[in-house]
Amino acid sequence: NFMLTQPHSVSESPGKTVTISCTRTSGTIASNYVQWYQQRPGSSPTTVIYEDNQRPSGVPDRFSGSIDSSSNSASLTISGLKTEDEADYYCQSYDSSSSAVFGGGTQLTVL
Amino acid sequence: QVQLVQSGAEVKKPGASVKVSCKASGYTFTGNYMHWVRQAPGQGLEWMGWINPNSGGTKYAQKFQGRVTMTRDTSISTAYMELSGLRSDDMAVYYCARVRGWLQFLDYWGQGTLVTVSS
Repeated sequence: NFMLTQPHSVSESPGKTVTISCTRTSGTIASNYVQWYQQRPGSSPTTVIYEDNQRPSGVPDRFSGSIDSSSNSASLTISGLKTEDEADYYCQSYDSSSSAVFGGGTQLTVL
Repeated sequence: QVQLVQSGAEVKKPGASVKVSCKASGYTFTGNYMHWVRQAPGQGLEWMGWINPNSGGTKYAQKFQGRVTMTRDTSISTAYMELSGLRSDDMAVYYCARVRGWLQFLDYWGQGTLVTVSS
């Protein structure tokens, strides 16, 4: 089965743009959609991107998602960073047996 | 509005079992699969499995096969996750989460239930 590998942490300044990667270790990233969840300390996760690049209503358009077949990875990009974006971010997909797979999570620091 | 309300925190001894409930409201309970995800202190999200509330069919992560049982009671729109043979590394916050559709995203999450395993 595959894993989703994320950087442990990233940091960037307010107003800048940050990209978080999520690399699938085997199989193709396009095989199943990728979701991205945001989790602030002490809270349940919420969805910021689903189906690779779709934003749920209420999520600002500063959040965008994409996949890159050449690197077999998905990316979450947050532009115009705000301090409120500081959180943990998790990518998630499904394997061929309909089991969900989560990435290890990336801690975003906005400093 | 969709809500998933989970049962309260539990303290269990090693070897015991815990059963966490997740009461759904604001939608047709049998219309969406329910997933269970856990998070150990300071760690990431770990998928445990799902249940089809309509049929009762389940899918468990291989890691938990033989130790986890997911059930539901459609009369009270409640899903359950029972984990047996508790160990110290089972100490975590356990979440239920509704999936929007087949192999889609987890669109609503419960508030989480902290399970402490301690002798």
